[in-house]
Amino acid sequence: EIVMTQSPATLSVSPGESATLSCRASQTVGSDLAWYQHKPGQAPRLLIYGASTRASGFPGRFSGSGSGAEFSLTISGLQSEDFAVYYCQQYNSWPQTFGQGTKVEIK
Amino acid sequence: EVHLLESGGGLVQPGGSLVLSCVASGFSFDLYPMSWVRVRQSPGKGLDWVSAISGGGDSTYHADPVRGRFTISRDNSKNTVYLQMNSLRDEDTAQYFCVKGDYGPGGFYYFDHWGRGALVTVSS
Repeated sequence: EIVMTQSPATLSVSPGESATLSCRASQTVGSDLAWYQHKPGQAPRLLIYGASTRASGFPGRFSGSGSGAEFSLTISGLQSEDFAVYYCQQYNSWPQTFGQGTKVEIK
Repeated sequence: EVHLLESGGGLVQPGGSLVLSCVASGFSFDLYPMSWVRVRQSPGKGLDWVSAISGGGDSTYHADPVRGRFTISRDNSKNTVYLQMNSLRDEDTAQYFCVKGDYGPGGFYYFDHWGRGALVTVSS
């Protein structure tokens, strides 16, 4: 199975600053890459699919990029509601696999 | 609007069984694959895909750690997907999410809607 590796494990950011999260696949997944946002006590939410298409309900400060095996998620001008755990997931081959997550916390 | 509502979580002893149910609404249920994804409570543990079932229910898949112990099924007449969990272990303790799949261009799918989850605790 494809192993997804996210970095860093934790990112400490001040509100208003930008954050860039990385996700690397152990083999190419094309653009079959999704990002999810997960807040404690809530359901995870689809944030990005197709590596760069933003899901409904998320503002333009969230952007995804990359293809092949290297991907990134950028959050520009972090707001209080953005502090959460973010997971990447490949759906190019079976089984779909998740990264271990990056926690974005308030600095 | 899509809604997924899980039920059936609880406390169970090691070796015991539990059935999770998920009632779906807001979409054509039989057209979409459904999955269960869990997140364990231990530090450093993230999301793990557990089981999946095709829209018609004719194809099922299970992750290696649960294969032979868990069974996913669905009743399209009731818009409900189930997860039968047998021979439960301590490491199965987790929040279990019912998830709707949506297809990407390559034929596989990402998870576009999630339920709020059902907590399963395996402990003596």
